[in-house]
Amino acid sequence: DIQMTQSPSSLSASVGDRVTITCRASQDISTFLNWYQQKPGKVPRLLIYAASNLQSGVPSTFTGSGSGTDFTLTISSLQPEDFATYYCQQSYTTFSFGQGTRLEIK
Amino acid sequence: EVQLVESGGGLVKPGGSLRLSCAASGFSFSNAWMAWVRQVPGKGLEWVGRIKSNPAGGTTAYAAPVKDRFTISRDDSKNTLSLQMKSLKTEDTAVYYCTTVGSWYQLRGLNYYYYYYMDVWGKGTTVTVSS
Repeated sequence: DIQMTQSPSSLSASVGDRVTITCRASQDISTFLNWYQQKPGKVPRLLIYAASNLQSGVPSTFTGSGSGTDFTLTISSLQPEDFATYYCQQSYTTFSFGQGTRLEIK
Repeated sequence: EVQLVESGGGLVKPGGSLRLSCAASGFSFSNAWMAWVRQVPGKGLEWVGRIKSNPAGGTTAYAAPVKDRFTISRDDSKNTLSLQMKSLKTEDTAVYYCTTVGSWYQLRGLNYYYYYYMDVWGKGTTVTVSS
């Protein structure tokens, strides 16, 4: 099974900050990597698929990059609505999620 | 509007069984790959399993913790996805989400590469396994 490890597990930042979340796969997964956002009490929302493709309706402040085993999700300028938990997910062999990164307001 | 509505959650004793359903509407269910994802309240997301569309073979795949205990099936005539759970354990307690599995492909050289992701989610149904 492919293990996904996110870092950090939690992060405090301010509105307007640039934030980067990292996801590492236990083996080479090419670009078979998705990112999701989940706000408290809400269902997850797809942000990025295939490592760098922005899902329709997602603001361009979100950027995904990486290939192989190391991936990043960058939010270029944090907005109040971006404070949430973020999950990476590999789809190289079936699926598995990272443990999540909680982004909190500083 | 694309909609997924889960039902069937509840309280069950360890060792018991439960069947979850997911009613789909607003899209071509028969051509959709579908999946189940669960989440222990306050914890992370865990993929449970997926089923391909029948035109794609209708095959299933499961996460290791539920393999041989859970079965995903679909009834395309009723636009319904099901998750049959047996030999339930306390660690199966979670909110269970039904999702569509979307896809995108990329041509690289002479090969097509298909990328899969979960793009539409239901609101979930809660399963509690406790004595």
